[in-house]
Amino acid sequence: GIQVEQSPPDLILQEGANSTLRCNFSDSVNNLQWFHQNPWGQLINLFYIPSGTKQNGRLSATTVATERYSLLYISSSQTTDSGVYFCAVGGATGNQFYFGTGTSLTVIP
Amino acid sequence: DTEVTQTPKHLVMGMTNKKSLKCEQHMGHRAMYWYKQKAKKPPELMFVYSYEKLSINESVPSRFSPECPNSSLLNLHLHALQPEDSALYLCASSLGRWGHGNQPQHFGDGTRLSIL
Repeated sequence: GIQVEQSPPDLILQEGANSTLRCNFSDSVNNLQWFHQNPWGQLINLFYIPSGTKQNGRLSATTVATERYSLLYISSSQTTDSGVYFCAVGGATGNQFYFGTGTSLTVIP
Repeated sequence: DTEVTQTPKHLVMGMTNKKSLKCEQHMGHRAMYWYKQKAKKPPELMFVYSYEKLSINESVPSRFSPECPNSSLLNLHLHALQPEDSALYLCASSLGRWGHGNQPQHFGDGTRLSIL
């Protein structure tokens, strides 16, 4: 299967700071999604981004498929951004969906 | 992703009980999934249904029994569970064409299951 590695595993930020989360994957993908899991367990879809760049408010994401990585950029972080961020990919054969190990983000006031 | 609805939100059951988890979506998706998530771990795939047929079973113990009565509904029947089965159970759906992994998956809010 496809190996998905996320870094850093843990991140503590002061409110208002910016951060970049990284997702590396070991093979070609046709699907890449970024999720935010809040402290209540809800898995919220942030971006569907198999390639290119997207922005949604304070969040943006870039996937460079040829180099097998994706970045999630959080600007002006807020305490509500706390939680775990997962990257997940679907392979070119289209028969599996692999989650990364996640980045646990804590934003302190 | 509240377009996928899971019930109940919380469930506490004894090891001898029989219960069911329910998942519903009305987006016209034809692939539906069950995931299990333990604390501080990523979700792990359990089952995949494609066009109401079981297409992937990730070696899940028989005490978990999935059912897909129609294209909108997915159930997970539970019987004789063990304490280690306590976890968050997530349901997801996707369009279902061209394979399962290469389309966006939409997740429900999950059922938090505790086994006494």
